[in-house]
Amino acid sequence: EADIYQTPRYLVIGTGKKITLECSQTMGHDKMYWYQQDPGMELHLIHYSYGVNSTEKGDLSSESTVSRIRTEHFPLTLESARPSHTSQYLCASSGLRHRDNEKLFFGSGTQLSVL
Amino acid sequence: AQTVTQSQPEMSVQEAETVTLSCTYDTSENNYYLFWYKQPPSRQMILVIRQEAYKQQNATENRFSVNFQKAAKSFSLKISDSQLGDTAMYFCAFMIAQGGSEKLVFGKGTKLTVNP
Repeated sequence: EADIYQTPRYLVIGTGKKITLECSQTMGHDKMYWYQQDPGMELHLIHYSYGVNSTEKGDLSSESTVSRIRTEHFPLTLESARPSHTSQYLCASSGLRHRDNEKLFFGSGTQLSVL
Repeated sequence: AQTVTQSQPEMSVQEAETVTLSCTYDTSENNYYLFWYKQPPSRQMILVIRQEAYKQQNATENRFSVNFQKAAKSFSLKISDSQLGDTAMYFCAFMIAQGGSEKLVFGKGTKLTVNP
């Protein structure tokens, strides 16, 4: 099992609420990612970070924001959730060690439902 | 832009038999990596197997092997002696090997069911 953790596992909230999805890894990985996955569909990269204070938008436009103040922590925030944000959000990381450089380790995901 | 296509949305196989999942990709790059990831129901996505494009030899990991055809841009996954625990979504993914960038492009996935 990978040492990357996401909380909460499931979240049901009302429209307009501010939410933060947590992601932490204990592997010392410098690179971290957020993917969005709708049921039966492929994963789309929405944010990534190559290190502390480094964040970039991914290939899929998202209204969410991220921060990377500590190496191990990469939270994702939605300021005002809408039903269109309902999806599964997967966090991943990859590391410095040669064999880890191309290998992503994934968290268990957060299934978000916005009513 | 790179694209990954998995043409089989769902497949099933009997336990102990062999199954092959298809994947094709499109890229103009010459140096890249290809992956198969497995996502069991309600569990973490994990890497099954990885192939470097510059290697001609097909990668193998125990019961899992790939048939990498670079000219045809094809990257199929063969699972031998299928087990019930192999039931999962399988995603083919592509990554360009450049300057530390590890952004993966995923296919839509194939749902594999192993029947007892």
